[in-house]
Order: sequence, then C-alpha cells, then structure tokens
Amino acid sequence: AAGVIQSPRHLIKEKRETATLKCYPIPRHDTVYWYQQGPGQDPQFLISFYEKMQSDKGSIPDRFSAQQFSDYHSELNMSSLELGDSALYFCASSHQTLSYEQYFGPGTRLTVT
Amino acid sequence: DQQVKQNSPSLSVQEGRISILNCDYTNSMFDYFLWYKKYPAEGPTFLISISSIKDKNEDGRFTVFLNKSAKHLSLHIVPSQPGDSAVYFCAARGSGGSNYKLTFGKGTLLTVNP
Repeated sequence: AAGVIQSPRHLIKEKRETATLKCYPIPRHDTVYWYQQGPGQDPQFLISFYEKMQSDKGSIPDRFSAQQFSDYHSELNMSSLELGDSALYFCASSHQTLSYEQYFGPGTRLTVT
Repeated sequence: DQQVKQNSPSLSVQEGRISILNCDYTNSMFDYFLWYKKYPAEGPTFLISISSIKDKNEDGRFTVFLNKSAKHLSLHIVPSQPGDSAVYFCAARGSGGSNYKLTFGKGTLLTVNP
C-alpha cells in the first residue's frame, strides 16, 4: 500500500538559510499535518491543511510557512534557519471523514549548522 | 503543560510475556486515542486506536483499554516479541471543528528480551 512520502530525507543547512520540505500524502487522503520532533522529544504539531485550506495551527514559528497544493501535496517552507530548528519533521495524512488515524511519513531530518 | 502523559520512560519485558504501556491525559475534550510505534530514524507507525465511547479495542496481539473516568488508557501486547522493541507513543485527538491535531505523550521505550 502507498505510504506518505517525504523529501528530502536528510537536509543540512546553515544558519539563516532557507529550507523547503515536501510531503506527498497517501492517495485520496485530504488532510496533511506537519509535526516537529526535537531530540528526545515527542512530536509537536505545527500546522495542518484540509482540502488545501489551513485547518489548524500549532506552535509554528512565524519564520515557517506551509501550503497544500491542488494535487494535495504540501510544502513546509522554513526561512532564517536557527540552530534550534534542527529536528525531525514529520508529515502525516488522513482522510477526514473515513478514518481518524493519521499515517506518518518517514520524516525529514534537518540539521542546521 | 503536558496534556498526554506517559510516566514510564522505559519498560523491559521478557519475550512471551505481556507488555503493558500506560498513558494518562488531562483534557476531557479528547475524543479519540491512538498508539504509535516508532523505530529510530523512522516515522511513527499507527498501531491501534480507540474512540472515547468505547472501553476496549483489540487487534491481534494488541489491545487498548480506555478508562474515561480516570482519564487513563493502556496498551497491552501479548505475547511480546523481540520485534516489538521500539518507542511507543500515546496520542490523543481533540474533538470538534478542525481540531484534529494529535497531542503526543513523551513515549515509552519498550525492550523485549529474548
């Protein structure tokens, strides 16, 4: 079965640079969620999109923005990167009306040096 | 404040025995609970879930129990296998509107010894 695809899997950036993370949800899933997991931490919700509209917002810095496109893939744009942004970034998808389960991608490991 | 709490950072169990992972929550608006299993450098894998209107859900070796009055749930794995060794996250989903984000506990590292 198709799973959530994230790219890239690993990304190394320097401070103050920008990064773009991509997420391709499971086919026919209409909702995408982004989570950030710091070292030794639990995943923290950043932002979600339902049918291409932002549906919820968590502890996402103003330096970050995201969108969901017409093909339902989503991109998380991160600017003015800081050392503290180094983390695993997970994307998850779900079908809002069919099931409550969120299925996670393998994550993007971002390292800011 | 941590709305979903997994108070045991680690648990060690012998192969073939039962593993019981516990989770407490404080927000009575949570209406759906999920357990995820996570290996290092991989995304969380969905295991089993339970709606707040139920008190038990079973899927093969995995059973989740929910005690709504105590705001407590537990995941039972029986029999435990070495391949079950991973970090287990308890997660809760809010109810109403567009509030479908998951709130996670800090995880419990389960080690199943052969």
